[in-house]
Amino acid sequence: AQSVTQLDSHVSVSEGTPVLLRCNYSSSYSPSLFWYVQHPNKGLQLLLKYTSAATLVKGINGFEAEFKKSETSFHLTKPSAHMSDAAEYFCVVSDLGGYQKVTFGTGTKLQVIP
Amino acid sequence: KAGVTQTPRYLIKTRGQQVTLSCSPISGHRSVSWYQQTPGQGLQFLFEYFSETQRNKGNFPGRFSGRQFSNSRSEMNVSTLELGDSALYLCASTPNGRAGYTFGSGTRLTVV
Repeated sequence: AQSVTQLDSHVSVSEGTPVLLRCNYSSSYSPSLFWYVQHPNKGLQLLLKYTSAATLVKGINGFEAEFKKSETSFHLTKPSAHMSDAAEYFCVVSDLGGYQKVTFGTGTKLQVIP
Repeated sequence: KAGVTQTPRYLIKTRGQQVTLSCSPISGHRSVSWYQQTPGQGLQFLFEYFSETQRNKGNFPGRFSGRQFSNSRSEMNVSTLELGDSALYLCASTPNGRAGYTFGSGTRLTVV
């Protein structure tokens, strides 16, 4: 069985300050992990993915995430928030190479204050 | 290269009617998944198709069904619509799970 927990439903940061969105997962197998972003009334866009290669994964728009097996975490970070980062972010886990159904976290809404 | 295309973008239906939503995946992607997104329940997995076969199914009633054609295009059907079926329905495709999924912009269904 697999599960994913996004620890914060809302995060608010000032423009130019660091972003940290937290995600913990549970997986019976070697997981694939993803972060997606969803802007209002849009579909989801893949930010980055971890698939058992480098534990520090760099994605689009300056985001990165570190896979920590000992902590079962895959937190999303960005050094400096931009207004356009305001959106909802989803952490996703998938077992067995991703062919099993994926499990989405409940999402974290990021607010960026000018 | 074209993305995942979902049609229609918006739909209004009456309770008791049925609806069919369409999804055209990225060329070469053989796996297509469907999700329902609502404010209360978040993103919930409906089903996944691969090479015209349903490979996985979420916990939805039998009123929700789908199919995939030989060109990988997929449709989902909801029969006997209920008010609670109002949601954003998202389709996603992938060449393989480890590559991650590419999502369409969704179909917003409103049941009145």
